[in-house]
Amino acid sequence: GENVEQHPSTLSVQEGDSAVIKCTYSDSASNYFPWYKQELGKGPQLIIDIRSNVGEKKDQRIAVTLNKTAKHFSLHITETQPEDSAVYFCAASRVQAGTALIFGKGTTLSVSS
Amino acid sequence: DVKVTQSSRYLVKRTGEKVFLECVQDMDHENMFWYRQDPGLGLRLIYFSYDVKMKEKGDIPEGYSVSREKKERFSLILESASTNQTSMYLCATSRGYYERYFGPGTRLTVT
Repeated sequence: GENVEQHPSTLSVQEGDSAVIKCTYSDSASNYFPWYKQELGKGPQLIIDIRSNVGEKKDQRIAVTLNKTAKHFSLHITETQPEDSAVYFCAASRVQAGTALIFGKGTTLSVSS
Repeated sequence: DVKVTQSSRYLVKRTGEKVFLECVQDMDHENMFWYRQDPGLGLRLIYFSYDVKMKEKGDIPEGYSVSREKKERFSLILESASTNQTSMYLCATSRGYYERYFGPGTRLTVT
């Protein structure tokens, strides 16, 4: 089955700096790669996702890149703000019936002002 | 907006008790999921359901069962709670294969 590795487990940056979180996956047939943000006391919420027919996707200060050959994908947050502080999870799956989304172990991002 | 509600935010139970965690969604999503979240282990799938009365085992189903009698409700059952089931439990729903909508979670402590 799919296995997703996520690094680093904790990341501290200064406000305004960039933050990068990296994930690798094992199932070459996986074709859907979402990123979730979990704020304190809340459930995770989807912030961006990418499908295997594209290599990069941007949404304002957030971008995700995918390298299918190397089986890794990354989340990039530019101009970080204190409200970006949260736990971030990457995930991977095949888009087909009976397959579940497999999550990485999470990265705790702290943005200090 | 999709709303996923979980019956309790905090729950304390004794070892050996039968525990019911309820999840209700209001968006007519066909798929529902139960995850367990532990520090350093991320989100691990316990069970999921693609339709009423249908269920599939996830990665860690041992010690748990589920029930889905109505489309909007998915229950997680701990038949005989043990201390190693102390955790945060998250319910999620989806329409199709993509975005999961998570509830706020239930923090269960088994003493």
